[in-house]
Amino acid sequence: EAQVTQNPRYLITVTGKKLTVTCSQNMNHEYMSWYRQDPGLGLRQIYYSMNVEVTDKGDVPEGYKVSRKEKRNFPLILESPSPNQTSLYFCASSATPGQGRWREKLFFGSGTQLSVL
Amino acid sequence: GDSVTQMEGPVTLSEEAFLTINCTYTATGYPSLFWYVQYPGEGLQLLLKATKADDKGSNKGFEATYRKETTSFHLEKGSVQVSDSAVYFCALTLTSGTYKYIFGTGTRLKVLA
Repeated sequence: EAQVTQNPRYLITVTGKKLTVTCSQNMNHEYMSWYRQDPGLGLRQIYYSMNVEVTDKGDVPEGYKVSRKEKRNFPLILESPSPNQTSLYFCASSATPGQGRWREKLFFGSGTQLSVL
Repeated sequence: GDSVTQMEGPVTLSEEAFLTINCTYTATGYPSLFWYVQYPGEGLQLLLKATKADDKGSNKGFEATYRKETTSFHLEKGSVQVSDSAVYFCALTLTSGTYKYIFGTGTRLKVLA
């Protein structure tokens, strides 16, 4: 079954304690991306990756790191979490845009609810 | 800058009522437009899309038409069901320079039996 798998589903942590949220896709997609969802703000892109070893900042990258060492995995790293990073996080993937217009749909994971105390 | 504006929710309707959720966009060039739906406790999933002006996307009784002259992509359904209760997101992708999705803030729909 084609899917994007995020772990953990729920995470409660304390300020400053490094954490990693994992994301894996089994569709051989080149493009992967992380979003955070906050009430009244919708989804905002944190980072995205066009392929292995290629990453770029989205709209809200501060306080986050990512890596893309393998095509299927795209972990989100919070080196020193703060309470303002309490949010619902989604990983998503899609096929490579290729040349010309980009119109590929995103496949989303089920989300990770993070609480930073 | 590029952006998507959706009507604020929540929208509460009775079963079999007509639904419209407004979406307008600001973008350079000719973006592709999407509606995603998020059911409780789940990630977003694509509902429909349109890639050029005057295209109509449709799926599961929902429709939206890409109107370049009014920069709009309003979502409509003729008769909603309780199972349509969800959050609906309008989104666009830019055609050059950056491969980013831009989402609206989402509109929560609640359908009452």
